[in-house]
Amino acid sequence: DTAVSQTPKYLVTQMGNDKSIKCEQNLGHDTMYWYKQDSKKFLKIMFSYNNKELIINETVPNRFSPKSPDKAHLNLHINSLELGDSAVYFCASSKEGGRVSYEQYFGPGTRLTVT
Amino acid sequence: RKEVEQDPGPFNVPEGATVAFNCTYSNSASQSFFWYRQDCRKEPKLLMSVYSSGNEDGRFTAQLNRASQYISLLIRDSKLSDSATYLCVVNIGHNYGQNFVFGPGTRLSVLP
Repeated sequence: DTAVSQTPKYLVTQMGNDKSIKCEQNLGHDTMYWYKQDSKKFLKIMFSYNNKELIINETVPNRFSPKSPDKAHLNLHINSLELGDSAVYFCASSKEGGRVSYEQYFGPGTRLTVT
Repeated sequence: RKEVEQDPGPFNVPEGATVAFNCTYSNSASQSFFWYRQDCRKEPKLLMSVYSSGNEDGRFTAQLNRASQYISLLIRDSKLSDSATYLCVVNIGHNYGQNFVFGPGTRLSVLP
């Protein structure tokens, strides 16, 4: 069974469109994340949710809106896509242990290409 | 200064070589440390956590120096399958728990 799954795996779309990426984890984790990995392979956090509540929102354009319908899901909706949004988007999850730090489990990534 | 910095690489080494990667972090309040591995066009996966006293897992040894804010990863007897990008990850913490910051990665190619 896949621990963290994302759909779609590939997404090719035109500038100006609106698209969503879905993420689900079956690990029972409390915290879920969205990361963006650009062409230089630098992995940067975008959002973090703990028990459906937003706890980290890095400097991300407000065209990006995460939605967490329940603890196991964290979806990413992107409005008015731009060329610079082309990247690989990774979803991840981890247990939440307060001062104890747990490893993150990553989904397979969604390769977004904006033309 | 970036929050997490790593050797720029790439490292090209022959099979059987020993290779060491270095990582420095800027936030002295950082709570925990990890090495992740990312294969080409794949997701990052945990290689090992890094403990204050240093720790070993088979051919891999991780060290942490909190005073110098420095982390290292040593790979002994390199295998072809070790070829990947190695990511240094620091949890700088947050009011509600965890905030993982990834280094830019160091690419390793082990050559036959």
